Amino acid sequence: GQSLEQPSEVTAVEGAIVQINCTYQTSGFYGLSWYQQHDGGAPTFLSYNALDGLEETGRFSSFLSRSDSYGYLLLQELQMKDSASYFCAVLDNYGQNFVFGPGTRLSVLP
Amino acid sequence: ETGVTQTPRHLVMGMTNKKSLKCEQHLGHNAMYWYKQSAKKPLELMFVYNFKEQTENNSVPSRFSPECPNSSHLFLHLHTLQPEDSALYLCASSQEANVGGGRTDTQYFGPGTRLTVL
Repeated sequence: GQSLEQPSEVTAVEGAIVQINCTYQTSGFYGLSWYQQHDGGAPTFLSYNALDGLEETGRFSSFLSRSDSYGYLLLQELQMKDSASYFCAVLDNYGQNFVFGPGTRLSVLP
Repeated sequence: ETGVTQTPRHLVMGMTNKKSLKCEQHLGHNAMYWYKQSAKKPLELMFVYNFKEQTENNSVPSRFSPECPNSSHLFLHLHTLQPEDSALYLCASSQEANVGGGRTDTQYFGPGTRLTVL
């Protein structure tokens, strides 16, 4: 089977840095993606890691360690608008589709 | 807006009704997906169509029937649903599925249809 684990909730204040972890157990692995979903909205793509290391895109960075089956999303200079749910997703062995984690609800406080 | 539209945005139906969800993408993509999102559960992939051919059916009950008449349109036909089928149904598209080789095609999601089964 395939499973992904994320913390269910994270709370931080504006301007802070927060890290959302994701561990996975899958029958195959091509890469790890992160999606953001605001309440009532659709998931939107944030980042994708196929290789070990850190990918930086503005205030958001994503890290992958394939040997540890682990990745994280790092959000810097938090803003109120970053309050949302964040999902990690593994691209399966056939590159056919994503298996999504349960999501982490981030609350940014003033 | 992501270029993926879904109608209706909200749907309430009885267990004996038949209804259809519609998804349309204006991105020139070749792959389309149906996902189910229940409260406090991960997104669940239901169906994948790649170049109009169904390539994935994740053990979805037969009361859900997909249809992909062309690469731009995807339908989900619903009949004799159960209350536990109440959820947000999301459509997504990407350039193509089965990309492999360390490459991915980003999936673009529609706004979803909030379905309530009474």
